[in-house]
Amino acid sequence: GAGVSQSPRYKVAKRGQDVALRCDPISGHVSLFWYQQALGQGPEFLTYFQNEAQLDKSGLPSDRFFAERPEGSVSTLKIQRTQQEDSAVYLCASSLAGWAQHFGDGTRLSIL
Amino acid sequence: SQQGEEDPQALSIQEGENATMNCSYKTSINNLQWYRQNSGRGLVHLILIRSNEREKHSGRLRVTLDTSKKSSSLLITASRAADTASYFCATDVQGAQKLVFGQGTRLTINP
Repeated sequence: GAGVSQSPRYKVAKRGQDVALRCDPISGHVSLFWYQQALGQGPEFLTYFQNEAQLDKSGLPSDRFFAERPEGSVSTLKIQRTQQEDSAVYLCASSLAGWAQHFGDGTRLSIL
Repeated sequence: SQQGEEDPQALSIQEGENATMNCSYKTSINNLQWYRQNSGRGLVHLILIRSNEREKHSGRLRVTLDTSKKSSSLLITASRAADTASYFCATDVQGAQKLVFGQGTRLTINP
């Protein structure tokens, strides 16, 4: 596609529910990243994939956060037993190795 | 945690003036990038400068990099109302693929 696509754009969930956020990267981009952006802050790294391999998950805040990219293309970020502090914008980015990252518009997650 | 700090946190200028934003970082880098983010949208890549470069231009943008001071600046010349956005610097820490972002500068261009 023309750019990185994320869905849904907005997600509202009750505390304790599980959520799944989807990212469709630019076709052919081997690298895929997830970031979390709190209001008024810069994005913070969560995890990184090269093709289907998750090479860095050092930014995942807890074991409630899980990401996968089973076929090396679409990725899903799952958050289990959501808490209010999980409310943020979740950004996905993709890139060719060693080049600039291209970002989607993000999913704005609100936990009530 | 965030690696860099941007200065100023907010900047408001008149259309046509130049805008300068600064970024400092802490660790050795391969390259430094600047991104723009409009409200409610994702980040748009503006320019990348490699650690062995000192200055780079792209249209109305000029970026400098001083690795000895671990700092960079972004200059936007002849600003336009459409330049109103948040601007972030990001570094890729050596040995890692992830980007580490600063807290951003909120730029407002007044018509």
